Amino acid sequence: DTAVSQTPKYLVTQMGNDKSIKCEQNLGHDTMYWYKQDSKKFLKIMFSYNNKELIINETVPNRFSPKSPDKAHLNLHINSLELGDSAVYFCASSLNPSGDTDTQYFGPGTRLTVL
Amino acid sequence: SQKIEQNSEALNIQEGKTATLTCNYTNYSPAYLQWYRQDPGRGPVFLLLIRENEKEKRKERLKVTFDTTLKQSLFHITASQPADSATYLCALGNYGQNFVFGPGTRLSVLP
Repeated sequence: DTAVSQTPKYLVTQMGNDKSIKCEQNLGHDTMYWYKQDSKKFLKIMFSYNNKELIINETVPNRFSPKSPDKAHLNLHINSLELGDSAVYFCASSLNPSGDTDTQYFGPGTRLTVL
Repeated sequence: SQKIEQNSEALNIQEGKTATLTCNYTNYSPAYLQWYRQDPGRGPVFLLLIRENEKEKRKERLKVTFDTTLKQSLFHITASQPADSATYLCALGNYGQNFVFGPGTRLSVLP
């Protein structure tokens, strides 16, 4: 059983395009996250949603817009893609964002390449 | 600003030896610290959590220490095996604050 799943696994696209990455978790967790891991392997949080509500929005261009239709799903839409958006994007979930149970369960990642 | 450093980008050790990885932080007061393992092409996987009032935690061949005075955590893998080769990330957390990951240390255990 896949706990946190993401689609697609790989995404290659041209600059200026709009693309979406989907994420689903079947762990019953309340909180979901999007992280970006760049070429230097730094893993940086982008967004956090708790029960479909945005609770963290780091300094991310507004071309990135997360959407949470329900607490099991958190999709990431990116407008007007730029070369610097190339990275691996990880979705994650945790049981509770405000306790020490926010152990993160990560998806397999989506490698985005912008040409 | 918050800063997390992990001792080195890469660490090579001989099979059977103990690997020791370091995580140092500044400008942060974590309530807990976690260690994750990341294999190439995969997402990080949780290994251990240690709280600020705990000095040491163990799980099988893994041991983590947490010194809030030194602002440091040490992560030990005893009797290391080639299968332990991966990147290890430390992460700091506190209630109501962002969860922050370190840059990771790539461990290679040589047979």
